[in-house]
Amino acid sequence: GQQVMQIPQYQHVQEGEDFTTYCNSSTTLSNIQWYKQRPGGHPVFLIQLVKSGEVKKQKRLTFQFGEAKKNSSLHITATQTTDVGTYFCASRRGYKLSFGAGTTVTVRA
Amino acid sequence: NAGVMQNPRHLVRRRGQEARLRCSPMKGHSHVYWYRQLPEEGLKFMVYLQKENIIDESGMPKERFSAEFPKEGPSILRIQQVVRGDSAAYFCASSPTSGDGNQPQHFGDGTRLSIL
Repeated sequence: GQQVMQIPQYQHVQEGEDFTTYCNSSTTLSNIQWYKQRPGGHPVFLIQLVKSGEVKKQKRLTFQFGEAKKNSSLHITATQTTDVGTYFCASRRGYKLSFGAGTTVTVRA
Repeated sequence: NAGVMQNPRHLVRRRGQEARLRCSPMKGHSHVYWYRQLPEEGLKFMVYLQKENIIDESGMPKERFSAEFPKEGPSILRIQQVVRGDSAAYFCASSPTSGDGNQPQHFGDGTRLSIL
């Protein structure tokens, strides 16, 4: 599978603030998927990006795929306590998903 | 519409015992994937099965691990003679097709395996 690296590993955010988490690859990716896993839960599919430079929004979440298709970002605005969890990016080649190690987000009320 | 069902949610085994993890895919899904997640790590692909066929087991250890998806019943991930290093969360996912990038994989709640 295609390796993806995520930074930062941990993100501590004050409620109401914005933050961004990044997903990087040394090789060109055909697509990137983002998942959210709540503590003790299972990964839940959020979005898939396929096109170079693609930007998709889901309420307070903005997902971007880099022009060179080697990186992606997830930006969350006005963080809420419901945003707590680990956010994974994954590259997909056919049926095989290769996950990054995730960014674990905690929120200070 | 029931999602991917995994059982048990938690499983405790002593070293040397066998662990059997079950997964029933979503209705209408005939493709099953197993992943392993160690603490503070991402999910690692283990095996991909269709009914009665193992398509890709490249991520599964060669010894002690086996998987099946019989014609009737759930998919089973079997770990024989468990060791402490097998402690992890094991997730099953399913999809209606395999290579179509527009079909996301739907994950079950996982089985947390603890080895004493």
